[in-house]
Amino acid sequence: GAGVSQSPSNKVTEKGKDVELRCDPISGHTALYWYRQSLGQGLEFLIYFQGNSAPDKSGLPSDRFSAERTGGSVSTLTIQRTQQEDSAVYLCASRPDGNEQFFGPGTRLTVL
Amino acid sequence: AQSVTQPDIHITVSEGASLELRCNYSYGATPYLFWYVQSPGQGLQLLLKYFSGDTLVQGIKGFEAEFKRSQSSFNLRKPSVHWSDAAEYFCAVGEETGRRALTFGSGTRLQVQP
Repeated sequence: GAGVSQSPSNKVTEKGKDVELRCDPISGHTALYWYRQSLGQGLEFLIYFQGNSAPDKSGLPSDRFSAERTGGSVSTLTIQRTQQEDSAVYLCASRPDGNEQFFGPGTRLTVL
Repeated sequence: AQSVTQPDIHITVSEGASLELRCNYSYGATPYLFWYVQSPGQGLQLLLKYFSGDTLVQGIKGFEAEFKRSQSSFNLRKPSVHWSDAAEYFCAVGEETGRRALTFGSGTRLQVQP
């Protein structure tokens, strides 16, 4: 079956621009996560969605970051006024009932 | 707060040699433990997981890991490494309840010499 998909696979943007990253989770998975993988910080949790509940945003590094999940499925991570330190690979994962998360291929963001 | 330590940043082994990647965790309750592998430009692939029961768990690609509560360790092993195993390996601990987010170690990059 189809796995988690993310788009775009690569995004190059200029400092100060806004970017949107998209995640399509595995159908039927109720939980969705965003993680960031950067050279300085390793892999870190950003945000968690569970069904229609309010998201857990405790991992977002600043108020320039936001995310939404429409209809309990597709999620969009938005970064406003991008900075060079936002350059990283952004990974999305989804999870059915249970504890195993399934990861997408990631979006590599480069801020010039 | 939970944490994961992978003390080896980079390991080089010869093809056919055995491999052990170290992982130590800190977690207040029974940990849910995972090993993921990431090849260049790829996402994370689950190798194996431990939730409960038998402390020696088998995974894909011939990998196994042993949970040792007394040492707070979950080391990954493979008896004979193949060139295709060259990748980065991440150990992670998952929350038992609630959001079940993963906390990752910093990763170990494995290089395989012919």
